Amino acid sequence: QQPVQSPQAVILREGEDAVINCSSSKALYSVHWYRQKHGEAPVFLMILLKGGEQKGHDKISASFNEKKQQSSLYLTASQLSYSGTYFCGTEDGGSQGNLIFGKGTKLSVKP
Amino acid sequence: DAMVIQNPRYQVTQFGKPVTLSCSQTLNHNVMYWYQQKSSQAPKLLFHYYDKDFNNEADTPDNFQSRRPNTSFCFLDIRSPGLGDAAMYLCATSGRRGGREKLFFGSGTQLSVL
Repeated sequence: QQPVQSPQAVILREGEDAVINCSSSKALYSVHWYRQKHGEAPVFLMILLKGGEQKGHDKISASFNEKKQQSSLYLTASQLSYSGTYFCGTEDGGSQGNLIFGKGTKLSVKP
Repeated sequence: DAMVIQNPRYQVTQFGKPVTLSCSQTLNHNVMYWYQQKSSQAPKLLFHYYDKDFNNEADTPDNFQSRRPNTSFCFLDIRSPGLGDAAMYLCATSGRRGGREKLFFGSGTQLSVL
């Protein structure tokens, strides 16, 4: 079951904050977040596992609410390098436990 | 330093002409995946290998096949490419099946079908 991401796109000025949401209609075992720049491969940001946790490094963090079957990615004090498309990938027990990716959120950070 | 390597970076083929994309890894991971990503869309899982065990997604067309001759290499064969198969093809690896470990992606092969 493909997770739903919101918003589809967001434009920020440098230094502004953003939140990207990922939700599923099925119970989740794990949520991954990846960032992809145009024409490049997705780059891993973080994994959140069942048990409800929050993770972060530098100015990017994420939360996982197991009961609500959703995860949020928080980008604070955004930098130009944060521009790209952010995908969440969810493991819901289907597809032999493999990740299914959402449609992505395109983030543009302007000077 | 590259850990998951895909060749070629760009591939142009003709409608109906078989094409093979390759992926190699230096991570010694058990699991290798092939994803198809069309422009501005999410990566879509085509199939994966867990060691030599091949696992096809239910909606992957028969036109797509894969081979994994050893741990390090995996190939994607498209038997008769159609215009709708033009996409970025991403190979990824993981130490374990399922979502408990991160995926390592290659740089992808951009396939054009003329």
